[in-house]
Amino acid sequence: RKEVEQDPGPFNVPEGATVAFNCTYSNSASQSFFWYRQDCRKEPKLLMSVYSSGNEDGRFTAQLNRASQYISLLIRDSKLSDSATYLCVVTRRGADGLTFGKGTHLIIQP
Amino acid sequence: GAGVSQSPSNKVTEKGKDVELRCDPISGHTALYWYRQSLGQGLEFLIYFQGNSAPDKSGLPSDRFSAERTGGSVSTLTIQRTQQEDSAVYLCASSLVLAGVYEQYFGPGTRLTVT
Repeated sequence: RKEVEQDPGPFNVPEGATVAFNCTYSNSASQSFFWYRQDCRKEPKLLMSVYSSGNEDGRFTAQLNRASQYISLLIRDSKLSDSATYLCVVTRRGADGLTFGKGTHLIIQP
Repeated sequence: GAGVSQSPSNKVTEKGKDVELRCDPISGHTALYWYRQSLGQGLEFLIYFQGNSAPDKSGLPSDRFSAERTGGSVSTLTIQRTQQEDSAVYLCASSLVLAGVYEQYFGPGTRLTVT
């Protein structure tokens, strides 16, 4: 099993819809979790950290399920500008166990 | 404030030549990371520096790859005797280690093409 797995998509979603995707991780010792977004031919940009209690930032909600070892990202009222690849990042111990998923490609359609 | 900067933005080199890629992290960030990303692929971790600790080199793909970080700031990734499979975007990131959380901020990358 890969350390961090994501459905590559693409997810084709109409503008205004709600979309959610998960990321599963294999190492139960993982400590910190993040979602990044990456636009085509650009560097990844931090979208949000994922806290144990779950957290929300505007239209974006991230949740962590340690028992089932996955994190999720929910996007409400999707915008055309949300089209990007969303990368899940899991850290094992300290920062030397950073592992990026290969990303989920999201396409918001008008 | 200034983000992570990398130079050059693009580099085309002939197979067998050596290349040096530079990264200037965000001022005050103690951790610095190098990754590479091949076309359509995920990020591949290469090396990590944290303060004065010995770097974690576990991701370097071969002994042709090396990196150093001088004075706890600027870092240089060197690839010797480049091969065509080294062609990728090389990304640098830095983070402020805070309470065990490592939010990384990426530079724009160096696109390396080996002909």
